[in-house]
Amino acid sequence: GNSVTQMEGPVTLSEEAFLTINCTYTATGYPSLFWYVQYPGEGLQLLLKATKADDKGSNKGFEATYRKETTSFHLEKGSVQVSDSAVYFCALSEQGGSEKLVFGKGTKLTVNP
Amino acid sequence: KAGVTQTPRYLIKTRGQQVTLSCSPISGHRSVSWYQQTPGQGLQFLFEYFSETQRNKGNFPGRFSGRQFSNSRSEMNVSTLELGDSALYLCASSPRGDNRASNYGYTFGSGTRLTVV
Repeated sequence: GNSVTQMEGPVTLSEEAFLTINCTYTATGYPSLFWYVQYPGEGLQLLLKATKADDKGSNKGFEATYRKETTSFHLEKGSVQVSDSAVYFCALSEQGGSEKLVFGKGTKLTVNP
Repeated sequence: KAGVTQTPRYLIKTRGQQVTLSCSPISGHRSVSWYQQTPGQGLQFLFEYFSETQRNKGNFPGRFSGRQFSNSRSEMNVSTLELGDSALYLCASSPRGDNRASNYGYTFGSGTRLTVV
């Protein structure tokens, strides 16, 4: 079945450091890809998405590019802030009808001042 | 604009009991999905409803059930609770009713934290 693998955390960075969280997927067809973020005590918020190969999703300084050749959707940010501390989830939705999101295990990011 | 509202926020139940969780989607949203989040298994899809019909179901035992009302509000029920059912249950809604609803990004509620003792 479809699956998402993302790098294990936790990840600890200093403010203004560069962030990369790796995400790879296994899926039939052409899934849509997402990054969601979960702050403590809250639900998930959609951070960015890409619906076809070579699309780049971006939001709040975060970016991710849909790479079909490497089945990857790595999350990057050039300069993290303390407020970016959260758990980040990579996810896919299956093409053609299923409304099910398949999530990775999540990566906890802590940014220190 | 009100977000997705889940009630209650916290719940403690005893093994063998049953529980009902409620979700009110964003006004106008007609697709509602439920997910279970645990430290061990992560986020797992439970079911998805649109226009009072269950369109998709995850790999959970029959003790887990749900429904959607004509106003799009949804409930999920877990009967004969087990310790392993302790989790954060998340509801999400989408404005779209077609088969690309997830591409528009589901809006998640803050969840109901269920503890089974």
